[in-house]
Amino acid sequence: DAKTTQPNSMESNEEEPVHLPCNHSTISGTDYIHWYRQLPSQGPEYVIHGLTSNVNNRMASLAIAEDRKSSTLILHRATLRDAAVYYCILTKGTYKYIFGTGTRLKVLA
Amino acid sequence: ETGVTQSPTHLIKTRGQQVTLRCSSQSGHNTVSWYQQALGQGPQFIFQYYREEENGRGNFPPRFSGLQFPNYSSELNVNALELDDSALYLCASSYPGGVDTEAFFGQGTRLTVV
Repeated sequence: DAKTTQPNSMESNEEEPVHLPCNHSTISGTDYIHWYRQLPSQGPEYVIHGLTSNVNNRMASLAIAEDRKSSTLILHRATLRDAAVYYCILTKGTYKYIFGTGTRLKVLA
Repeated sequence: ETGVTQSPTHLIKTRGQQVTLRCSSQSGHNTVSWYQQALGQGPQFIFQYYREEENGRGNFPPRFSGLQFPNYSSELNVNALELDDSALYLCASSYPGGVDTEAFFGQGTRLTVV
């Protein structure tokens, strides 16, 4: 599976939008982009996924670059509960995820 | 909650011993994947079971083995425990629908080897 690159950590103020970037320059045409997050002392939790088009759900939005070599997870209004490690993963749908070290998001009250 | 349950939640073992971890998958899910997460790292893929057969393996030695049962629950067995096996072990179950669905993770089993 192709590799992803994310910043180690980011900070955001509560109630403000957060944009979490992910680079995946070696993505192939059949790779889906999945985002999971892991809250302290919990297993990873699904956030959103997409292939080519931007996606929205109740938790977040996913913006995918036209060349698909990068994507951005958007949390529209960060809350303290959104403090977690966010993982960007490329997968061909086999669920054999290759996790990186992710981005640790800190939300400031 | 995801409906994926793991047991036990914590355990302590001595180096050289054997351990069995259990995972009960979400109803209707026939695929279970196991991951090892060392402190401060992302989860690492150990192996996956699909309909009771191993369906892919990560870079782990043969002393890591598994089983999947007809009800799709699963076990992870680790023989000859080493100190570096201390980690959070996660299982994830997935729906047979393929790429357009998500995996559901359990809360994990925290294994400490002393």
